[in-house]
Amino acid sequence: DAKTTQPNSMESNEEEPVHLPCNHSTISGTDYIHWYRQLPSQGPEYVIHGLTSNVNNRMASLAIAEDRKSSTLILHRATLRDAAVYYCILKVTGNQFYFGTGTSLTVIP
Amino acid sequence: GAGVSQTPSNKVTEKGKYVELRCDPISGHTALYWYRQSLGQGPEFLIYFQGTGAADDSGLPNDRFFAVRPEGSVSTLKIQRTERGDSAVYLCASSAGGGRSSETQYFGPGTRLLVL
Repeated sequence: DAKTTQPNSMESNEEEPVHLPCNHSTISGTDYIHWYRQLPSQGPEYVIHGLTSNVNNRMASLAIAEDRKSSTLILHRATLRDAAVYYCILKVTGNQFYFGTGTSLTVIP
Repeated sequence: GAGVSQTPSNKVTEKGKYVELRCDPISGHTALYWYRQSLGQGPEFLIYFQGTGAADDSGLPNDRFFAVRPEGSVSTLKIQRTERGDSAVYLCASSAGGGRSSETQYFGPGTRLLVL
C-alpha cells in the first residue's frame, strides 16, 4: 500500500514560512505526490502536485527528495487564511486518493 | 465556472431509513468520486465512476451502499437501512478523466449526514 505519514499538527507565526513534511517511503516510480488542504467545514482544495522535480505555483512550493521517499510543502508567508488541515496524498490502486489524517496547521497572529 | 455541487448540504435521518445524496460534477468531467469523512479523519475512498460505469467500488463498506451515474454526469449515492455509524461527511469529487496519476480532483463542499 502506498501511504503517507505526516505530523498531526504544526504551528506557525503569521507571515513566516511554513515547511510541512510528508514521508511516503513506499511510493511507486510513476506516482505523483499531491497536496490538498481542507479548511473547516469545506471540501478539500487542491494545492500542488509533482513527480520528481520541485514545483512552484501561486499558492506554494513542493520540494521532493531525490529518492522520492519524502516531500515538503512550503508556504512562503503563512496567513491566517492558511490555517487548515494539509493532506499529502498518493494515488493508490485505480484512481482513488489515499488521504491519511493530514497535518493541522495553526497560524498564530 | 461552476464547481462541484452537492445536495443536500445537511441531512438528518433516523436509523433504518433510506437516504440519497446528490453530486453535480464540473461540466465535462468524465471521472467522479465519492469519499466519506468521519470526524477527525481524512476522507476515505468509496467509489469511482468513469462515465456511466463504476470503475472501482472497492471502498463501499457493505451492500447497503450503492451509487449510480446513469447519464455520465450527476451521481447519486444511496444508503439503505442507515445506521448511526454511517454518520459522516460524504464528499464528491470530479476530474477531467483519463485516470492519470497527475490528475487533479475537484471536491464539493460535502453532505453532512447525521443518523439518529
